[in-house]
Amino acid sequence: AQTVTQSQPEMSVQEAETVTLSCTYDTSENNYYLFWYKQPPSRQMILVIRQEAYKQQNATENRFSVNFQKAAKSFSLKISDSQLGDTAMYFCAFTYAGGSQGNLIFGKGTKLSVKP
Amino acid sequence: KAGVTQTPRYLIKTRGQQVTLSCSPISGHRSVSWYQQTPGQGLQFLFEYFSETQRNKGNFPGRFSGRQFSNSRSEMNVSTLELGDSALYLCASSLGLAMETQYFGPGTRLLVL
Repeated sequence: AQTVTQSQPEMSVQEAETVTLSCTYDTSENNYYLFWYKQPPSRQMILVIRQEAYKQQNATENRFSVNFQKAAKSFSLKISDSQLGDTAMYFCAFTYAGGSQGNLIFGKGTKLSVKP
Repeated sequence: KAGVTQTPRYLIKTRGQQVTLSCSPISGHRSVSWYQQTPGQGLQFLFEYFSETQRNKGNFPGRFSGRQFSNSRSEMNVSTLELGDSALYLCASSLGLAMETQYFGPGTRLLVL
């Protein structure tokens, strides 16, 4: 069974600094997708970034980038120039390409606080 | 485009009752997935519907059921409520094609007393 582990329950960072959130996963599959979702205190879950396992190039979205290490089954999220609005729960998620698309497997989340 | 909407946003029920939650996906999206979020268990997949058919199901008891209508709107039902069913229920929609991103609604917060 696939599992997703986020080893940092809570993190904090000063505004304008850079922070990296860790995620590891376990799967025997070769074709899958990984996601980082953000859930601000308002509770609406928002997609931050996604990575296709078959792509070697790390995904980037503005201040957000990932370090995808397929062999190590690691998928960390780097937030550059942190802003107060980045304060949220961050969830790493996995989905298997060969099965039904609807099933996202989530990690327990990392609570990120950006301090002024 | 309007986002995913869920109604109601908050619900209070008592043990033994049943509840129905509703989810309207983004226009054009044919897949709706449901997740339960609790502090202890985190986010857990309940089931996914695509074109009115349940395509995938998580590991939840039969008290949890759902359906999807021809307009892609979906409902989930929980019968014989237990205290442990208190949770935030999130629905997510997508086009339903392989590996399309899921977009989440604001959730329905259910409290069972």
